[in-house]
Amino acid sequence: GIQVEQSPPDLILQEGANSTLRCNFSDSVNNLQWFHQNPWGQLINLFYIPSGTKQNGRLSATTVATERYSLLYISSSQTTDSGVYFCAVDDYKLSFGAGTTVTVRA
Amino acid sequence: GAVVSQHPSWVICKSGTSVKIECRSLDFQATTMFWYRQFPKQSLMLMATSNEGSKATYEQGVEKDKFLINHASLTLSTLTVTSAHPEDSSFYICSASGGEGTLGQPQHFGDGTRLSIL
Repeated sequence: GIQVEQSPPDLILQEGANSTLRCNFSDSVNNLQWFHQNPWGQLINLFYIPSGTKQNGRLSATTVATERYSLLYISSSQTTDSGVYFCAVDDYKLSFGAGTTVTVRA
Repeated sequence: GAVVSQHPSWVICKSGTSVKIECRSLDFQATTMFWYRQFPKQSLMLMATSNEGSKATYEQGVEKDKFLINHASLTLSTLTVTSAHPEDSSFYICSASGGEGTLGQPQHFGDGTRLSIL
């Protein structure tokens, strides 16, 4: 199956800082999704982004399908951004990366 | 839109009992539903894929007789953990997609069920 690698595994930010999370995948995919899992376990859809760039408030994502990677940008981070960020690629089923644990300190 | 409801949110029960978890798509028809399992500080692992009206497809290493999946309608799938034991304790999450398989369709996730077997 497709291998999905996320980096960095952990990220500690001061409130207000910007950051970039990366997702590399090993083969062509039909789709890619970014999720935020909050401390209660809820998995929130952030982006459905097979290619190109999308923005939603302080978050934006870019997928370069030909080079098999995607980036998630968090700007002006807030403590509520803390949690685990997963990317998942769609090859007839979703394969998840190991996640990036983000901690935003006030 | 695209809301998926999962119940119960958490369950504590004795070893040997069976536990049923429901996953409902509230505002769309879910042709395909998925069940995932997540251990603490790990990623989500797909257990099985179910299409309405047909048998579920289980991932390698998942016991189909242990984890019974039923997808009887376009809005409801159930996962029954039979004769649960402490090693079955985990966080179970369902998702639903409105398309054939997942091709071109995003998956929408329920809030998960924390299962603790004593």
